Parts: sequence; structure tokens; C-alpha cells
Amino acid sequence: EPEVTQTPSHQVTQMGQEVILRCVPISNHLYFYWYRQILGQKVEFLVSFYNNEISEKSEIFDDQFSVERPDGSNFTLKIRSTKLEDSAMYFCASRAGTGINSPLHFGNGTRLTVT
Amino acid sequence: AQSVTQLDSQVPVFEEAPVELRCNYSSSVSVYLFWYVQYPNQGLQLLLKYLSGSTLVKGINGFEAEFNKSQTSFHLRKPSVHISDTAEYFCAVRATSGTYKYIFGTGTRLKVLA
Repeated sequence: EPEVTQTPSHQVTQMGQEVILRCVPISNHLYFYWYRQILGQKVEFLVSFYNNEISEKSEIFDDQFSVERPDGSNFTLKIRSTKLEDSAMYFCASRAGTGINSPLHFGNGTRLTVT
Repeated sequence: AQSVTQLDSQVPVFEEAPVELRCNYSSSVSVYLFWYVQYPNQGLQLLLKYLSGSTLVKGINGFEAEFNKSQTSFHLRKPSVHISDTAEYFCAVRATSGTYKYIFGTGTRLKVLA
């Protein structure tokens, strides 16, 4: 069964550094999402992306965050200047279409640790 | 806006016993409802969903959930759990129109004891 793949599985970075989290969504999917889960807290929506532009974003997704689909297969989340509170598990998800019978498929996540 | 409340952060239960994981939601508009499961070191997988019609929905691995509109609840149940059901379970909602955003609860850690 096709999968959403995320790399790396764990990334450690120093505060103030830029990080790029990478995702390869399922190939025929059209809608892409980033969620994050701070340890012990709920899974929070960050951003959704469709047709090469952001369709929705949360209050968390400020100017420090950006997303890109640079080559038609990868979907990246960039954090420009990481803060300690950015430490979390980041999940990429994709879905085929707008129909509600098109469920979200999640990757295994990237654990980001900011020191 | 929508919100999801999962009151139980952890639920320990013995193997072969029944279990219910509670989910309540709040929304000013109609929603679709979902349960996702997260096994250790994995992403979230869809267990089941309620879109419309029968309020009792069946999912994978013997789980089922009942939508109760008057109580704004969508509790997850399984009549007999296995050790392999040990995981984190997340309830989620999505408005039926105007957004593609899924809102998740804080999760319930189900620990099945031998």
C-alpha cells in the first residue's frame, strides 16, 4: 500500500538554526498537510496546501514557517529560526481529493528537538 | 470553530475486557467524525469515520463507534481488547463544508494488560 514517507525520523538542531522537514506524499494525492504534536499534547493543525499554494493555516504557522512543493513529489516544511518551543513531532499527511471518502494518510513523523 | 475533548488521557484495561474511549466535540456547524490510532513510532492510521446515515459505525480491528448528536459524542468501543490494541487513540472532527482542516483531540493512551 502506498505510504507517506518523512525524513529524517529525528532531527536535532540548535535554537536559531533553520530546519527543513521533508515529506513525500502518496503520488496521486492532491492535498497536503503538516501537523505537529508537542509531547503529551494534541495533534495540532499547521497548514494545508493545494494547487501549489497554502489553502489554510493556523495561528501557529507564523512567518517563521513556510511550505514548498519544489519538484512535484516532495513537500517540505521549513522553520527559519527554530525556538525551543518548536520541539515536537511533525507529521505530514496527504489525501487524494476533496471528497470526504478520501481520508488523510499520515507519515510516521519527524521528531524535532531544538536545544 | 470546532474542538474535540478526550477526557481520559490513559485507559488501562485487561486483555479480553471491553473498552470505551470517550470523545466529545463542539461545533457550530455539521461535522464529520473520525477515530485515528497511533502505534509507537508510527503515524496516525484511520480506524473509522462517521459521515452520515447509521449512527453506529464499524472500523478496522473490531472497533466501533456511535455518533450521538444530542450529546455531541462519538465514543469508541471494542468488546474484547488484545495486547496489540495498546496504542494512542485520537478523535478528530472536520466541518462538512468551508474547510479541509481536521481538528484532533489530545488523545487517549490505551494500555492493554495481560
